[in-house]
Amino acid sequence: AQKVTQAQTEISVVEKEDVTLDCVYETRDTTYYLFWYKQPPSGELVFLIRRNSFDEQNEISGRYSWNFQKSTSSFNFTITASQVVDSAVYFCALSEAGGFQKLVFGTGTRLLVSP
Amino acid sequence: EAGVAQSPRYKIIEKRQSVAFWCNPISGHATLYWYQQILGQGPKLLIQFQNNGVVDDSQLPKDRFSAERLKGVDSTLKIQPAKLEDSAVYLCASSSGATNQETQYFGPGTRLLVL
Repeated sequence: AQKVTQAQTEISVVEKEDVTLDCVYETRDTTYYLFWYKQPPSGELVFLIRRNSFDEQNEISGRYSWNFQKSTSSFNFTITASQVVDSAVYFCALSEAGGFQKLVFGTGTRLLVSP
Repeated sequence: EAGVAQSPRYKIIEKRQSVAFWCNPISGHATLYWYQQILGQGPKLLIQFQNNGVVDDSQLPKDRFSAERLKGVDSTLKIQPAKLEDSAVYLCASSSGATNQETQYFGPGTRLLVL
């Protein structure tokens, strides 16, 4: 069965600090997709990135970067030079191959960035 | 492009009452999802529609929850009768297709409080 673990419940940083959010997943499939979503206080889940299991290249988008390592079943998310607007709950999610998509979410990491 | 719309944004009811939530997906998206997000947890899939047919309702408590998607566009989720443990945020999402590589886009959610 698929499972996503986000061990960090809450992280507090001061603006401009770098912060890494951890995500560890479990799946028996060799083909799967990993996602990160941001949930600001407004409640809407905002899509950040999708990565398939065959693409282990790290990705950078502005201040955001993602480190995918199949050897450790991890898909970690780093925010460089954090800003107050980054304060939100961040969810990692997994979708296995075959059939209709079924996203399984972790429990989320609450990030608080203070000025 | 307009995002996923949901209404109402907030609802307070007493236990044993009924309640209904409405969702309008992104135009052209064939797949629609309803999730339940209990405080402090990640979203959990309740039901998934492909056009106007149900493809997964395995986690929907069918004795009290029902959902429909008339004409393959808008959808309504109903709870009757509500229980205290139904207090949660109900999120609607849509995607253009139903395969595991699709990206789901979420609405702002409806916060339900059952007293």
